[in-house]
Amino acid sequence: GDSVTQTEGLVTLTEGLPVMLNCTYQTIYSNPFLFWYVHYLNESPRLLLKSSTDNKRTEHQGFHATLHKSSSSFHLQKSSAQLSDSALYYCALSDPPGANTGKLTFGHGTILRVHP
Amino acid sequence: GALVYQYPRRTICKSGTSMRMECQAVGFQATSVAWYRQSPQKTFELIALSTVNSAIKYEQNFTQEKFPISHPNLSFSSMTVLNAYLEDRGLYLCGARFRDRPYEQYFGPGTRLTVL
Repeated sequence: GDSVTQTEGLVTLTEGLPVMLNCTYQTIYSNPFLFWYVHYLNESPRLLLKSSTDNKRTEHQGFHATLHKSSSSFHLQKSSAQLSDSALYYCALSDPPGANTGKLTFGHGTILRVHP
Repeated sequence: GALVYQYPRRTICKSGTSMRMECQAVGFQATSVAWYRQSPQKTFELIALSTVNSAIKYEQNFTQEKFPISHPNLSFSSMTVLNAYLEDRGLYLCGARFRDRPYEQYFGPGTRLTVL
């Protein structure tokens, strides 16, 4: 079945430094959808980025990621971390629409903690 | 904008009793609703996917007998955890998709279940 592996546990950064959270995946499908969700405590997980296009950078709210099918990766990056970026981040994989599963497979989540 | 509400946000039940939780989509009609569980120290696992005009599809390790789901209209879904035991504790998320963005799931804040 599908699987997603992302940077384990806690990542601690000083404000202003670059952010990189790794995400790799496994799937039998050649055209999956990849997502990054950000989850703040007591709130709903919120979609941050999505992509299904190989080698195309997608950006939102200062974050960016590029889906690389050759390496099955979708790493999350930001050039300069802010205190408000402290949250739990999930990488997730969805089968393509033709598979008709509608299922999201999540990684285990990465806690990002940004300090002054 | 699209919003997903879940009720209750937190609940406690005695071992062996049952607990019903609700999911409401506001601002859009959900073409599918997925229920996930995040057990302690684990990531989100899909319990079942309910799609309009299709039977509810349960993932391996989850059954209708244990997690009956009702999806009476395009805005509302409920799920019951029957005979809850310690291993059923965790955060239950509802994720809804709508017609205009079939590849994205919008999540509620979850129902946190504690079993005593």
